[in-house]
Amino acid sequence: EVQLVESGGGLVQPGGSLRLSCAGSRFTFSSYDMTWVRQAPGKGLEWVSYISSSSSTIYYADSVKGRFTISRDNAKNSLYLQMNSLRDDDTALYYCATESGGRTSWYFDYWGQGALVIVSS
Amino acid sequence: DIQMTQSPSSLSTSVGDRVTITCRASQTISSKLNWYQQKPGKAPKLLIYAASSLQSGVPSRFSGSGSGTDFTLTITSLQPEDFATYYCQQSFGIPRTFGQGTKVEIK
Repeated sequence: EVQLVESGGGLVQPGGSLRLSCAGSRFTFSSYDMTWVRQAPGKGLEWVSYISSSSSTIYYADSVKGRFTISRDNAKNSLYLQMNSLRDDDTALYYCATESGGRTSWYFDYWGQGALVIVSS
Repeated sequence: DIQMTQSPSSLSTSVGDRVTITCRASQTISSKLNWYQQKPGKAPKLLIYAASSLQSGVPSRFSGSGSGTDFTLTITSLQPEDFATYYCQQSFGIPRTFGQGTKVEIK
């Protein structure tokens, strides 16, 4: 079964940086588009960023544009999220997920367990 | 951005009941609408994609319908393991957006 494992979360001061990783296994990582979705404590789901399988297409939510950078290393079956200039409202559980589908719809079919990022002084 | 609005925000119901959750998009999204279930402390789980297609392994008591701007998730004969929060999500445009969630609680 597909496995996604996030790491790199932690406590960081406002203005600081953190790099999240997501390790994929038991599937052909290089064939999947990937995404990051976050969930603030007690709140709903918020899409953060998307990267295509070849890294040729990248999108960001306006709330993180210019501060976060998504990347991947298909040779290492890994997805990354570099987060700079962190703010209090970036505090959330960050999930990586595969994005699959096609003409009818695109959907997030496999999810990791999440990495907790707390931004606080 | 496409806004997704779910109703109700929460509901109290009993095992065996039929549950209907609606999701409305701020513009037409064709059938590019997905539904997820999230239990406390767990990652979301895909239930329905493309408005009405059941994800592999999801029980048949879950169904989805709709197109354009109005969509429905129906759970026939609610089971104890179905008490959770449900989210709709559109994939018509970027950014991908979610509804605010519907919490299904035990009456």
